[in-house]
Amino acid sequence: EVQLVESGGGLVQPGGSLRLSCAASGFTFSTYWMHWVRQAPGKGLVWVSAMKSDGSRTIYADSVKGRFTISRDNAKNTLYLQMNSLRADDTAVYYCATDRFDYWGQGTLVTVSS
Amino acid sequence: DVVMTQSPLSLPVTLGQPASISCRSSQSLVHSDGTTYLHWFQQRPGQSPRRLIYEVSNRDSGVPDRFSGSGSGTDFTLKISRVEAEDVGVYYCLQGTQLWTFGQGTKVEIK
Repeated sequence: EVQLVESGGGLVQPGGSLRLSCAASGFTFSTYWMHWVRQAPGKGLVWVSAMKSDGSRTIYADSVKGRFTISRDNAKNTLYLQMNSLRADDTAVYYCATDRFDYWGQGTLVTVSS
Repeated sequence: DVVMTQSPLSLPVTLGQPASISCRSSQSLVHSDGTTYLHWFQQRPGQSPRRLIYEVSNRDSGVPDRFSGSGSGTDFTLKISRVEAEDVGVYYCLQGTQLWTFGQGTKVEIK
């Protein structure tokens, strides 16, 4: 059974940093692109970032480019999202998803507030 | 950038009646490989999104056959033949032809 479990969310002050993790199981993680998608409270889904299976290519939405870094450890079957220079409008539930968005995690809430 | 526009944004439906959601893209979603990467998702209240339809019209495993997808080019539709109570939620289209962009979402509720 495919499982994606996000962790690392929490309350952080504006300008702060946070690292999210997504632990994957039930499939060959190292062969799939992976995504991060976010959803602000009461709002819609927004694609954030993606990484190729071997880590050789990364893509970011303009809204996070230069502030967020996606990475992965295929030996640990884990996807990461390093978030720096956080702003209030980064407040959202962050989901990881498989390459074709056929599997999603339960999400982890990031709140940016002073 | 590809912009995805859904309509309506709110859809009150009577149980047992059909429902239809439109999704339009700002440019053709036909990829150079010939595939149209347009997908549909359901997000029930308090839950993670769930993919219902991939590549325009292919139903995911376990998705009831009352859900169907159609369309081509820039114009796509999700139809629910007879709405049931469990269909309440927000529905999103997603294009994956040129990077990835979600539509704004359509909230389906029971009248």
